[in-house]
Amino acid sequence: AQTVTQSQPEMSVQEAETVTLSCTYDTSESDYYLFWYKQPPSRQMILVIRQEAYKQQNATENRFSVNFQKAAKSFSLKISDSQLGDAAMYFCAYSSNSGTYKYIFGTGTRLKVLA
Amino acid sequence: NAGVTQTPKFQVLKTGQSMTLQCAQDMNHNSMYWYRQDPGMGLRLIYYSASEGTTDKGEVPNGYNVSRLNKREFSLRLESAAPSQTSVYFCASSPTNRGLNEKLFFGSGTQLSVL
Repeated sequence: AQTVTQSQPEMSVQEAETVTLSCTYDTSESDYYLFWYKQPPSRQMILVIRQEAYKQQNATENRFSVNFQKAAKSFSLKISDSQLGDAAMYFCAYSSNSGTYKYIFGTGTRLKVLA
Repeated sequence: NAGVTQTPKFQVLKTGQSMTLQCAQDMNHNSMYWYRQDPGMGLRLIYYSASEGTTDKGEVPNGYNVSRLNKREFSLRLESAAPSQTSVYFCASSPTNRGLNEKLFFGSGTQLSVL
């Protein structure tokens, strides 16, 4: 069974600085998707970034980028120029492309942004 | 666009009571999911439906039942609520066409308290 591990329950970053959130996963499959979702206090789940496993190039969305290391099964999220609005829970998620289409989530990292 | 609509938003039950959480999506998605979110445990998959007419157990199915009524609707039933089922419940859907739009679309969540 696939698992997703986020080993940092909480992280802090100064406004305008850069922070990296860690995620590792375990799977025997070669074709899958990885995601980072943001959950602000409103409880809404917002997709931050998505990576397809067959793409070697790391995904980037404005200030958000990932470091995808397929062999190491690592998928970290880098937030550059952190803003107060980035404060939220961040969840890493895995989805198989084999046909079950389950999405498995990590336990989350709470990010605090300090003014 | 409504997206994923789940009702109710809040519910308080007494131990042993039953209730059904309703979920509907208007995006013609194939797959639908029910998650529960508990502090420190992330989102855990309760049940999912990869396509109309099929349902499968997720990580924490005990105490729950589901019905995929049609392609739009996927309900979650608690037959005899227990305090351990106090949680925030999320319904989600995904197209599972594995195209550029592949991701989870979430409802706004249901805060359930079982006394």
